[in-house]
Amino acid sequence: DAGVIQSPRHEVTEMGQEVTLRCKPISGHDYLFWYRQTMMRGLELLIYFNNNVPIDDSGMPEDRFSAKMPNASFSTLKIQPSEPRDSAVYFCASSRTSGSHEQYFGPGTRLTVT
Amino acid sequence: GENVEQHPSTLSVQEGDSAVIKCTYSDSASNYFPWYKQELGKGPQLIIDIRSNVGEKKDQRIAVTLNKTAKHFSLHITETQPEDSAVYFCAAISGGSYIPTFGRGTSLIVHP
Repeated sequence: DAGVIQSPRHEVTEMGQEVTLRCKPISGHDYLFWYRQTMMRGLELLIYFNNNVPIDDSGMPEDRFSAKMPNASFSTLKIQPSEPRDSAVYFCASSRTSGSHEQYFGPGTRLTVT
Repeated sequence: GENVEQHPSTLSVQEGDSAVIKCTYSDSASNYFPWYKQELGKGPQLIIDIRSNVGEKKDQRIAVTLNKTAKHFSLHITETQPEDSAVYFCAAISGGSYIPTFGRGTSLIVHP
């Protein structure tokens, strides 16, 4: 398996623009997580899905952030409008109910908002 | 909810020395404790984990210990090598949940 795939790997955008981050989880995994990593706040859970259904979005900073999972193999995290304080590395991770609780992380998307 | 504290935030050692990273958790219902290693430019990757029914687990140069009474667990790396340099995260998961609470991370630097 190719592992969790994220795109783009790097994104530079201007304040006010819409940003869409994409994730393809590992096939067969039924949990999908979006995290944000910054030096100040560490690794923060933004939202997670189970069987494509959003379960807990309490970590989403504000209404500018939204996430969708239209099917088992694809999820998006959208920021509209983006702000400089959104600059961070965004990780997608997936796991499965059966077996261990191991989360498999993607390589991340480094977002810079100028 | 669960709260995980991790120390130190930075650890610098000489090659061949041992390194110890410590974490405490608050929820007595937590029963699974994974450790993740994050290399530069990559996502975190699971390196070892321990469940609450055991006190210690070892995998080559890496070991993890758990003290349920005190609610703390530690990662031990022996004979450190430069390739061990990375950020290490501890986490705790409560029974029945699949959602980890992560510590803030420890940046380990191994000097050749």
